[in-house]
Amino acid sequence: KNEVEQSPQNLTAQEGEFITINCSYSVGISALHWLQQHPGGGIVSLFMLSSGKKKHGRLIATINIQEKHSSLHITASHPRDSAVYICAVPPYYYGGSQGNLIFGKGTKLSVKP
Amino acid sequence: GAGVSQSPSNKVTEKGKDVELRCDPISGHTALYWYRQSLGQGLEFLIYFQGNSAPDKSGLPSDRFSAERTGGSVSTLTIQRTQQEDSAVYLCASSLFVGGSYNEQFFGPGTRLTVL
Repeated sequence: KNEVEQSPQNLTAQEGEFITINCSYSVGISALHWLQQHPGGGIVSLFMLSSGKKKHGRLIATINIQEKHSSLHITASHPRDSAVYICAVPPYYYGGSQGNLIFGKGTKLSVKP
Repeated sequence: GAGVSQSPSNKVTEKGKDVELRCDPISGHTALYWYRQSLGQGLEFLIYFQGNSAPDKSGLPSDRFSAERTGGSVSTLTIQRTQQEDSAVYLCASSLFVGGSYNEQFFGPGTRLTVL
């Protein structure tokens, strides 16, 4: 079993739709990262969160530490949101947090006009 | 300010040759990470450095891979005797380390390595 599981793997939406991408993890963590990778492009950090909810523009990320689950929501989706969205966690071991990230396999989002 | 930079952006080499990949982190970021992304595969951790601590090398796939970080800034990832399975995009990232916690990571554009 992968330590970080994302769903769905692929998602196609119509412009304007509300989108949800889910991430479940099995390791203890200090924080969870949501990353975005455009085709042929670099990786951009969207959120780093350890509790509750964060919002940036049309993007909202939530996390439930007890249930080891996080969601990334996109409101009023637009074709420019088409990208791969990756959930990643730095495993927390006794003695402190680790720096490296364990990545989910990503969710490929395509938003049609 | 400047982000994380990597060079070269593309590298084509022949099997068996050694390659060096360079990463310039954001100024002031004490933590530096190397990852790789193989075609059709997810992201994979290789190694990370934090300040003057010994690097965490737990992700390096074989002893042909090594990395250095000089002066707490620039890092070089070296792959010796390259194999075709080493072909991938090698990504560098950096972050602050504050109050015992690692912060948001900023990624470089990557080096695409092709081993013929």
